[in-house]
Amino acid sequence: GEDVEQSLFLSVREGDSSVINCTYTDSSSTYLYWYKQEPGAGLQLLTYIFSNMDMKQDQRLTVLLNKKDKHLSLRIADTQTGDSAIYFCAERQAGTALIFGKGTTLSVSS
Amino acid sequence: DTAVSQTPKYLVTQMGNDKSIKCEQNLGHDTMYWYKQDSKKFLKIMFSYNNKELIINETVPNRFSPKSPDKAHLNLHINSLELGDSAVYFCASSQVGQAGPNEQFFGPGTRLTVL
Repeated sequence: GEDVEQSLFLSVREGDSSVINCTYTDSSSTYLYWYKQEPGAGLQLLTYIFSNMDMKQDQRLTVLLNKKDKHLSLRIADTQTGDSAIYFCAERQAGTALIFGKGTTLSVSS
Repeated sequence: DTAVSQTPKYLVTQMGNDKSIKCEQNLGHDTMYWYKQDSKKFLKIMFSYNNKELIINETVPNRFSPKSPDKAHLNLHINSLELGDSAVYFCASSQVGQAGPNEQFFGPGTRLTVL
């Protein structure tokens, strides 16, 4: 398909792990990104992964990349209420602009 | 200290008016962008400028005209505003042409409401 796909909603309990999945479109994308948008705020780069890696870990965040299936996931361990936000995966195609998925709204209940 | 700033933060206007949104970055980046986020939170690239030159122009109505007076500024002028222009507009910047992820830094957004 033409679009970067993500499921739109995820609801978890505080302390659980959250896994947000994404399917991207361009197998030549060099970097893939996860951005976080808190309510009423701009976007903040959360993490990224280089295309020759299949995993990247950064504290509570784990990014998995399956290039064959063009599948990217973000796992947040020990999810907190402050993690409630919209998470966008993005790829950078030819040129410089980011192509975003539709965003996954993560809701964390205590 | 703000890296990418936009003004105004909120803009409410009548259909048919002309309005501008300003963006400035103090990061020394050579590339700036405008993205539109609609009511469903979908984000799409509108324009990209590299060293004051237009390099990306997606299928955006020609009522939208970006202007880059210098590398640090990319303003967005919109003529004859329509109801469908209501959205949040984000400016971003990055340094292109060097190795690495070329992180894009986003402004806080301008919420445009057309009545």
